[in-house]
Amino acid sequence: DQQVKQNSPSLSVQEGRISILNCDYTNSMFDYFLWYKKYPAEGPTFLISISSIKDKNEDGRFTVFLNKSAKHLSLHIVPSQPGDSAVYFCAARGLNAGGTSYGKLTFGQGTILTVHP
Amino acid sequence: NAGVMQNPRHLVRRRGQEARLRCSPMKGHSHVYWYRQLPEEGLKFMVYLQKENIIDESGMPKERFSAEFPKEGPSILRIQQVVRGDSAAYFCASSVQGTGGYTFGSGTRLTVV
Repeated sequence: DQQVKQNSPSLSVQEGRISILNCDYTNSMFDYFLWYKKYPAEGPTFLISISSIKDKNEDGRFTVFLNKSAKHLSLHIVPSQPGDSAVYFCAARGLNAGGTSYGKLTFGQGTILTVHP
Repeated sequence: NAGVMQNPRHLVRRRGQEARLRCSPMKGHSHVYWYRQLPEEGLKFMVYLQKENIIDESGMPKERFSAEFPKEGPSILRIQQVVRGDSAAYFCASSVQGTGGYTFGSGTRLTVV
């Protein structure tokens, strides 16, 4: 049961253009969403997040959009740089049985972003 | 302030041997999470621990796998009688509170031959 899906295994973008990475989820109890970036042979590093009560969060070149009705979020990177080439994971945090947020994350399969000079 | 430290970085075990993976959380972090990444897949939650307590082990295989986070020392993920299907990257993360805000370690890559 894949509750978080990244349907594009890979994305190729020219330097300077916009990269848009997409993520869909099925569990309406997710209350917080995160994007992680991962280089080969390293652990994931946190990039940006968004609470379910918001629809947009921006941090420099990175913006995350959340569409709750569609259960869809996206990460926009603009302008894209060659150093952005990595695997990007979407992750979602849920609520425990008591209705409290806790730290277990459900990850998507990842999208390999390649930014060409 | 060192990040999350995992060791070893690479571990090779023969089928049937035991694998022990260690994770030292960031200083001041008392919540530890273990995730596994199989080839071509995303990270899958395994277990969530606080000091001396297992909070959620819903992602742990029922047999051969165990985890602990003692009062002193690192968290240990133990895999007994390893099989080839256990070959994966195992990542540990830690946080101050149990609500996310993770920092991940660099992972241990287990290869079972």
